[in-house]
Amino acid sequence: KQEVTQIPAALSVPEGENLVLNCSFTDSAIYNLQWFRQDPGKGLTSLLLIQSSQREQTSGRLNASLDKSSGRSTLYIAASQPGDSATYLCAVRGTGNQFYFGTGTSLTVIP
Amino acid sequence: NAGVMQNPRHLVRRRGQEARLRCSPMKGHSHVYWYRQLPEEGLKFMVYLQKENIIDESGMPKERFSAEFPKEGPSILRIQQVVRGDSAAYFCASSPPGGVNYGYTFGSGTRLTVV
Repeated sequence: KQEVTQIPAALSVPEGENLVLNCSFTDSAIYNLQWFRQDPGKGLTSLLLIQSSQREQTSGRLNASLDKSSGRSTLYIAASQPGDSATYLCAVRGTGNQFYFGTGTSLTVIP
Repeated sequence: NAGVMQNPRHLVRRRGQEARLRCSPMKGHSHVYWYRQLPEEGLKFMVYLQKENIIDESGMPKERFSAEFPKEGPSILRIQQVVRGDSAAYFCASSPPGGVNYGYTFGSGTRLTVV
């Protein structure tokens, strides 16, 4: 069974700093990996989807990389802003029908 | 182009009552997934449906929980005789035909409180 781990569980940074969130997974036989953002009491917003054949995806200040063989993905956030404060979730889709989720990294960006 | 619509947003039920949660997928999406998020835990898969078919219900509790996605209308997650431990956020996601090549689009969730 796929296990997804996100480190750190919580992160607090001053505004303007660049930061990296980490995601690791135990089974490298994946179809794709998706990063989400969840605000308190709200739903999940998709940030980036990386197919297994891709190495990275970029959207604005966000860049996600995928190293399937080592079972790792990183989400890079450039020039962080207070509005980036949220929980970031990594989800991995293997050969089954579901995405497996990590428990997330809670990010606080201090003005 | 409305996203995934879930209702109600909040639902309060007394122990022993039934809870019905509704999910309308995005236009053009025919695959629906239900997930549950317990306090301080990650999202756990419950069930995957296509129109009129349950494809994978490996994450559904064996008793009291059922799901359907009829030919017409939204997908329904039904919880019979609710207990305090059912209190959680229930999220629905949808994806287009083509399955694994696509990611999920999530709804805003239904927060169920059992009192």
